[in-house]
Amino acid sequence: AQSVTQLGSHVSVSEGALVLLRCNYSSSVPPYLFWYVQYPNQGLQLLLKYTSAATLVKGINGFEAEFKKSETSFHLTKPSAHMSDAAEYFCAVSRRDSNYQLIWGAGTKLIIKP
Amino acid sequence: DTGVSQDPRHKITKRGQNVTFRCDPISEHNRLYWYRQTLGQGPEFLTYFQNEAQLEKSRLLSDRFSAERPKGSFSTLEIQRTEQGDSAMYLCASSLIRGTLNTEAFFGQGTRLTVV
Repeated sequence: AQSVTQLGSHVSVSEGALVLLRCNYSSSVPPYLFWYVQYPNQGLQLLLKYTSAATLVKGINGFEAEFKKSETSFHLTKPSAHMSDAAEYFCAVSRRDSNYQLIWGAGTKLIIKP
Repeated sequence: DTGVSQDPRHKITKRGQNVTFRCDPISEHNRLYWYRQTLGQGPEFLTYFQNEAQLEKSRLLSDRFSAERPKGSFSTLEIQRTEQGDSAMYLCASSLIRGTLNTEAFFGQGTRLTVV
């Protein structure tokens, strides 16, 4: 069975510092991988996705993520945090042989300190 | 394209009442999902449709919950005899699955249900 693990339910960084949100997945076949962001009382917005093309994926708002098959990881990074990045971030995985059903991580709340 | 829209955005109901939510997906999308989300949690899968066919329902979904997508376009989610534990954000998402094409899921703004 597939699963997604996001390390750290809360991550706190200072404004201007590096953002690193961790996501590890378990899958016996290459998955599709996604990062979504959710602001309070809003739906989820796609930040970026990996679909077996380039392993380094650039997304919106300056975020990027690198697919590392050997580590089964898809960590999300941003070089310099901005106050507007404060939100909840969800990692998700899907596979063709699971009918593309999305499996979600528990989420990481990103807190930006002034 | 206006994206995925959900109606209403907020619903307050008394315990025991029935409620119905509507989701209008992106027009060319053939897949539609319903999720429930409580505070501080990730989306919890409820059910999904491929066109008008309901392909899977969560085992956690009680028989008070029913969803339809009669013409493969908009969908409704009905909760009968609401309970306080049903209070949550109900999210709808849509995507296009065709052969090897698999777009990401696009989400609506959600319907916030409060059962009092």
